[in-house]
Amino acid sequence: EAGVTQFPSHSVIEKGQTVTLRCDPISGHDNLYWYRRVMGKEIKFLLHFVKESKQDESGMPNNRFLAERTGGTYSTLKVQPAELEDSGVYFCASSQAQYEQYFGPGTRLTVT
Amino acid sequence: GQSLEQPSEVTAVEGAIVQINCTYQTSGFYGLSWYQQHDGGAPTFLSYNGLDGLEETGRFSSFLSRSDSYGYLLLQELQMKDSASYFCAVRARGGNKLTFGTGTQLKVEL
Repeated sequence: EAGVTQFPSHSVIEKGQTVTLRCDPISGHDNLYWYRRVMGKEIKFLLHFVKESKQDESGMPNNRFLAERTGGTYSTLKVQPAELEDSGVYFCASSQAQYEQYFGPGTRLTVT
Repeated sequence: GQSLEQPSEVTAVEGAIVQINCTYQTSGFYGLSWYQQHDGGAPTFLSYNGLDGLEETGRFSSFLSRSDSYGYLLLQELQMKDSASYFCAVRARGGNKLTFGTGTQLKVEL
């Protein structure tokens, strides 16, 4: 069974540019989550999809972040325009069981 | 809101037993999870406690005391490959989102 995959693995962009991160969850997992870890800090929740619906987006930092999950399969997270403080590692996770979340390898975003 | 505290670093020798503690403050606690992360890779699920007591999975055990808002991860027969960061994470009532602690860097030495 394939795990959670994320693309790209690394992205370096300039301040003001746009970046789109992609996450492919484990097949059959209705729950999809986005988290991020800023340097030296804890992993923080961004949002949670159940199928294509946003269940909880309380962790989204501001309206420069837009997440979508069309068709309830893969998800994208767009940052537009990117700011320096957006740098960090963005993790995607998926689950069927409510407590066991499977994480992807992350996308390391560097905004210069 | 929620907050979790863990030691930042723990060092132990190969073959030993180590305990990583986690205390939390949360409204509407539902369960405590533990994740392992090697060198910035994908966090990997280790264990979950929804009820008080001990859960055992091979060399790893996790304990929860809801009355004390406290849990720990116990690693036995330490191996070099156990060197990693370990995170406790709280799941609160009303949703599935996890709130993570700042992580404990475990270093296993010969």
